[in-house]
Amino acid sequence: EPEVTQTPSHQVTQMGQEVILRCVPISNHLYFYWYRQILGQKVEFLVSFYNNEISEKSEIFDDQFSVERPDGSNFTLKIRSTKLEDSAMYFCASSGDRGRAKNIQYFGAGTRLSVL
Amino acid sequence: GQNIDQPTEMTATEGAIVQINCTYQTSGFNGLFWYQQHAGEAPTFLSYNVLDGLEEKGRFSSFLSRSKGYSYLLLKELQMKDSASYLCAVRGMTTDSWGKLQFGAGTQVVVTP
Repeated sequence: EPEVTQTPSHQVTQMGQEVILRCVPISNHLYFYWYRQILGQKVEFLVSFYNNEISEKSEIFDDQFSVERPDGSNFTLKIRSTKLEDSAMYFCASSGDRGRAKNIQYFGAGTRLSVL
Repeated sequence: GQNIDQPTEMTATEGAIVQINCTYQTSGFNGLFWYQQHAGEAPTFLSYNVLDGLEEKGRFSSFLSRSKGYSYLLLKELQMKDSASYLCAVRGMTTDSWGKLQFGAGTQVVVTP
């Protein structure tokens, strides 16, 4: 069964450093998302991406965050200068292009980001 | 924005039925989704409703009443592996995309032998 793949599974970084989290969405999907979940808290929406541009973003997604689809398969989230409060599990999700598949967002296993 | 409420925790016995309620208040609505999340893992899609009524999928069923802002997830014939957090999520109506999901805090279901 196709799945969303995320790398790395765990990323440790120093405060102020840049990190890039990588995702390979399901191959025929066209809508891509990033969410995050701080330990013990709810899953929060960050950004959605369609047709090579951001569709929607939350207040969390400030100038320190950016997303990119550098080629036909990868979807990345960059945090330019990490803060302690960026420590969280980051989930990538994707959804299809038609019918029922368009409605359902499938999540990757996540990248645990630890900012020291 | 949306306000999504669900109980924090529920305990049930193996083989029993559990119903997890979710209420929401939203300025726009385009579907209610249920996900299962085991500790440290990704949310896994279970079911969704866009129209009122019951959706049945094996041991899991989900119900929606849009006029009441209410949904429930019914888990039948509980198994130990069903011990997990169950997330209620609402998709709002946007003009640009099929829309972000706004998640509730999750209901931790504990299945006991």
